Amino acid sequence: AQSVTQPDIHITVSEGASLELRCNYSYGATPYLFWYVQSPGQGLQLLLKYFSGDTLVQGIKGFEAEFKRSQSSFNLRKPSVHWSDAAEYFCAVGNTGNQFYFGTGTSLTVIP
Amino acid sequence: EAGVAQSPRYKIIEKRQSVAFWCNPISGHATLYWYQQILGQGPKLLIQFQNNGVVDDSQLPKDRFSAERLKGVDSTLKIQPAKLEDSAVYLCASSEQGGGNQPQHFGDGTRLSIL
Repeated sequence: AQSVTQPDIHITVSEGASLELRCNYSYGATPYLFWYVQSPGQGLQLLLKYFSGDTLVQGIKGFEAEFKRSQSSFNLRKPSVHWSDAAEYFCAVGNTGNQFYFGTGTSLTVIP
Repeated sequence: EAGVAQSPRYKIIEKRQSVAFWCNPISGHATLYWYQQILGQGPKLLIQFQNNGVVDDSQLPKDRFSAERLKGVDSTLKIQPAKLEDSAVYLCASSEQGGGNQPQHFGDGTRLSIL
């Protein structure tokens, strides 16, 4: 069965520090991978996606993610975090069977 | 382009009452999704429509939840009767087509509280 794991429930970083949010998936074939961000009281906004090709993908707001097939991972990174990045981050996996699964999310707190 | 519109933003009802949520997807998007997001969890798919047909409703509690998308555009999700465990945010999303490779665009959700 397909699944998505975000091991970190909550992460706190200082403003200006680098960030890495972890995501691991379980799927037999190459999945379609997404990262979404959710600010309080709002819906989810797409940050970036990976389908194939270059394993390092760039997204909006200065985020990037790297697909590592050997580790079944798709970790989200940002070199320098801003206070406005405080939000909930969700990794999601889609498959060729028209199915879509979200992880449980990682809550990011940014310390001034 | 206008985003996914949902209403109401908030709803408070007592258990055993009924409630309905409305969603208008992005114009031209064939696929519409309803998700339930319980506090501290990721969104869980309740139902997926492709135009006005149901693609997946395997996780919809059909004894109390129903949804329709009669003209293939906007959609209504209903709960009758509501239970305490239905307290959650109900998110509507749309995509141009169905498929696991389609980015979904989300509305701001309806926060439902059951007393």
